[in-house]
Formats: sequence, structure tokens, C-alpha cells
Amino acid sequence: NAGVTQTPKFRVLKTGQSMTLLCAQDMNHEYMYWYRQDPGMGLRLIHYSVGEGTTAKGEVPDGYNVSRLKKQNFLLGLESAAPSQTSVYFCASSRDSKTYEQYFGPGTRLTVT
Amino acid sequence: RKEVEQDPGPFNVPEGATVAFNCTYSNSASQSFFWYRQDCRKEPKLLMSVYSSGNEDGRFTAQLNRASQYISLLIRDSKLSDSATYLCVVNPLFDDMRFGAGTRLTVKP
Repeated sequence: NAGVTQTPKFRVLKTGQSMTLLCAQDMNHEYMYWYRQDPGMGLRLIHYSVGEGTTAKGEVPDGYNVSRLKKQNFLLGLESAAPSQTSVYFCASSRDSKTYEQYFGPGTRLTVT
Repeated sequence: RKEVEQDPGPFNVPEGATVAFNCTYSNSASQSFFWYRQDCRKEPKLLMSVYSSGNEDGRFTAQLNRASQYISLLIRDSKLSDSATYLCVVNPLFDDMRFGAGTRLTVKP
């Protein structure tokens, strides 16, 4: 049972380049989330999804887009990377947001130069 | 003011000590509360949910005070393996989640 997986694990981008981070879960969870974690800031919610075909903005959505075409996958896109997007990105999934725990992927370390 | 605030620490305690962390939240309509644990350069993992009546799981006790809008985590008989960062998590509204910046704990022999 893989749980939540993230691809890639590490990436270095130049300013202005684009990329897509892939999150996959095999627990049949309805809810999926993308967070970024920066030193001293804790995890901040970028976007989330409450089911296939739905997405919603979180706390810090600017500069990111997401898609949830299949229930098991949640994609995070950076159309034009900026140095301020250097961070560790975590994906998570849960049965719902209120009573069930969130299961996190191992993270993607992104550096934008 | 941040939605969820924690003392960043670090807390350095000897093995066997009792240590307590507090977390305050700003949205009085918040629905659910959790403590997560994060080891260095790893993903967060759920430690325990926090219920209105308070709850205990072995050496860990969580309390919720809605009137004062804070939650607490008490760790008794600290072990070396308890060294980690403890994240307070609040579900303020709808379906999103807010994390505190975390409190770092180091348990020393």
C-alpha cells in the first residue's frame, strides 16, 4: 500500500520556467490538498479538492494552478516559476476534512533560481 | 495576527520530563483540532485529534479550551524518540486547514 506519493522528489527550475507536480493516492480519499512549507511559516494551504473535478483556493493560491481530473491524482502547476516559490511542497489526502486524518506524501523540494 | 499561533521553542528537556505546548487560534467558529508530529525533513503525521472533553493517548494528553481559543498538548515521561516538531492544526471554516508554524522539541539523555 503506497499511500500518498509525489513526483518528483527534487527539482531545480530557472525563473520563468513551468512545471507540474504530481500527487497520487491509493486510499480512495475524496479530499486532497497541496501545501507549501517554508522555514518559520509552517504549512500553508495552496489549493485543495473535495472530489474529482473540483478544486478550491486555499490560503496562498497565487502563482499556482491545480487539476483533479481523476480521483486518485491531484496536480499542482507553476506556470512561470519565481524565486519566491522556492519551498518544500507537500500533498495530502483525507476521507474528509473534519474528522479524518490527513495522510501526507514525502514532499517535493523545489528551488527556483 | 496569524490564524494559528504556537511558541516556536525550541524546548530542550531531559528524558522523563513532562512538557506542555500551547496553541492559540483566532477563528472562534473553528470546527476541528489536531496535533501533528513532523520529524526533520519528513512529512507530518497525525499524533492525535483534540476533542472538546479532552483526550489521552498513552503519554500524550490533548485539551481544548473553546472559551479562550487554545489547545494544548502534554507529553509525560518524555522519550528520546519524542524529539520532533509538533504542529497544531485547526479547521477554521469549510474544508480548509490551518497549520501553526510548529514547536520544536528536543529530548536529551
